[in-house]
Amino acid sequence: AQSVAQPEDQVNVAEGNPLTVKCTYSVSGNPYLFWYVQYPNRGLQFLLKYITGDNLVKGSYGFEAEFNKSQTSFHLKKPSALVSDSALYFCAVFYNQGGKLIFGQGTELSVKP
Amino acid sequence: ETGVTQTPRHLVMGMTNKKSLKCEQHLGHNAMYWYKQSAKKPLELMFVYNFKEQTENNSVPSRFSPECPNSSHLFLHLHTLQPEDSALYLCASSQDTGGGAGETQYFGPGTRLLVL
Repeated sequence: AQSVAQPEDQVNVAEGNPLTVKCTYSVSGNPYLFWYVQYPNRGLQFLLKYITGDNLVKGSYGFEAEFNKSQTSFHLKKPSALVSDSALYFCAVFYNQGGKLIFGQGTELSVKP
Repeated sequence: ETGVTQTPRHLVMGMTNKKSLKCEQHLGHNAMYWYKQSAKKPLELMFVYNFKEQTENNSVPSRFSPECPNSSHLFLHLHTLQPEDSALYLCASSQDTGGGAGETQYFGPGTRLLVL
């Protein structure tokens, strides 16, 4: 069965430091992986996705994610965190049957000045 | 977020009321989705429509009734809801339902529903 796990409910980072939000997946076949961000009282905004090709995917707002097939991971990264990056981050895997996106439970990122 | 709009943004209803949530996408997409987001839970897919045809009903109770009159509009009709149905209801759209290409879904801002 397809699944996504975000092992950390919350990540705390100081502004200017690098950040990592972790995601692991379980999928049969080739994985299509996504990251979304949700700001308070807002819908989900698409950040980036991995379909095929280069394992390092660059997305919006300076975020990037690294696909690691051997570790079945797709961690979200940013070299220098901003206070405005504080939000809820969701990893998702695309389930080929019926166009389903299966989401992780979300990770609350808090960036302090 | 102007690509996918949802109304109302907030809704309070009693258990005997009937109300409808509306979603409209301005992206020229063919697939639309309803999700439920409850606190401390992953997003739950409720319904999927592709080219106006329902392709997925994820075991949703019949008190939730979707309607998709065209590829740009999606409704969720609500009746005799329960307090546990209180949640953020998110609409999304994509070019189609994927066909293996991992189509990106774009989300609206959601309707915050409170059932009393």
